[in-house]
Amino acid sequence: NAGVTQTPKFQVLKTGQSMTLQCAQDMNHEYMSWYRQDPGMGLRLIHYSVGAGITDQGEVPNGYNVSRSTTEDFPLRLLSAAPSQTSVYFCASSYSNHEQYFGPGTRLTVT
Amino acid sequence: GENVEQHPSTLSVQEGDSAVIKCTYSDSASNYFPWYKQELGKRPQLIIDIRSNVGEKKDQRIAVTLNKTAKHFSLHITETQPEDSAVYFCAARRALNFGKGTSLLVTP
Repeated sequence: NAGVTQTPKFQVLKTGQSMTLQCAQDMNHEYMSWYRQDPGMGLRLIHYSVGAGITDQGEVPNGYNVSRSTTEDFPLRLLSAAPSQTSVYFCASSYSNHEQYFGPGTRLTVT
Repeated sequence: GENVEQHPSTLSVQEGDSAVIKCTYSDSASNYFPWYKQELGKRPQLIIDIRSNVGEKKDQRIAVTLNKTAKHFSLHITETQPEDSAVYFCAARRALNFGKGTSLLVTP
């Protein structure tokens, strides 16, 4: 099992550019989530999904889109990058009400 | 949505002492309460969890206690070691909402 994988590991964007952060899991988990981690702010939930075709907003959804067309994949799209989106992004997956398994993270810098 | 408050934000202890981190939550429907440890530059990983049908769970030097009436749960680390130094997070509401984290420093 690869667990939860994320690509890329590092990314630098210019303000206004768009990009997609990829996340995949091979554990057949129904839940998948995206978090951003900023110093002193903990892990803030951006979007989550409870199954293929179902997504919902978390605490900080503005500026991000998600879709869940398959159980395995949960990409996060930045539509028009802003410096405030500079952060470390973690994808996670789990069964409902069970341990979340985190990916290795993507460090994003927006200049 | 669920509001998870975690205290303290930083904690410094001497090696061998105990450390206690507390979290409160707002959603009375929450029934699963995990704790994660995140070492510098790494991903969070589960260290212990508890469900609402028990009040306490232990795993060697770590324990978690839960008070559902008061809506709070705590992480207890005994006989702390330098390798316990990390950021610790609690979570609630289907384990999706996290506290802001506690940076624990264990000094030799």
